[in-house]
Amino acid sequence: QVQLQESGPGLVKPSQTLSLTCTVSGGSISSGSYSWSWIRQPAGKGLEWIGRIYTGGSTNYNPSLKSRVTISIDTSNNQFSLKLSSVTAADTAIYYCARFFLGRFDPWGQGTLVTVSS
Amino acid sequence: QTLVTQEPSFSVSPGGTVTLTCGLSSGSVSTSYYPSWCQQTPGQAPRTLIYSTNTRSSGIPDRFSGSILGNKAALTITGAQADDDSNYYCVLYMPNGISVFGGGTKLTVL
Repeated sequence: QVQLQESGPGLVKPSQTLSLTCTVSGGSISSGSYSWSWIRQPAGKGLEWIGRIYTGGSTNYNPSLKSRVTISIDTSNNQFSLKLSSVTAADTAIYYCARFFLGRFDPWGQGTLVTVSS
Repeated sequence: QTLVTQEPSFSVSPGGTVTLTCGLSSGSVSTSYYPSWCQQTPGQAPRTLIYSTNTRSSGIPDRFSGSILGNKAALTITGAQADDDSNYYCVLYMPNGISVFGGGTKLTVL
């Protein structure tokens, strides 16, 4: 079955750009009518949807993050990526990637903790 | 921006029935929002229990059901068990293509 795995630096300095990659295994990122999302969760808080990308490259972003977010897709390597610029301590969170279709986020990656600190 | 509203907390006795709801700060939730419910236990990634209003994900027991009640989406747990003690998040797919999570409901089974 399809599995997702996040990867990237666990520590990012303030004002720099956070970069994460989600690798899809067990199936093609290009198959079906799926989109691919990033979601984050600060410690002790709720889930926040960051954005999604479709196989064709079109994107939707959370309006509150839109000015700082870029999501891209690499179909040849079965990956999609997140870049979040000008990070602050408020961007410290567990970042999840997930596949999306008809309202359903499934599967989810296990999540990766990113800490913003100097 | 439209907010998705959930009860912050709820409690239910083992074997009891509880209904959690998911509303909008402005307007009504309908099937067009593809309401979905995720369960998350501490330290774990979320998992989707219900999607597209009332479709159970594979492997989810039938004590979990989804519906539209009035102007809100609802998650009903019938015959609550101890391991249902979790956080539950509603997520809606908005007409403009963005997804919005509710703040979550902490369900206590005691």
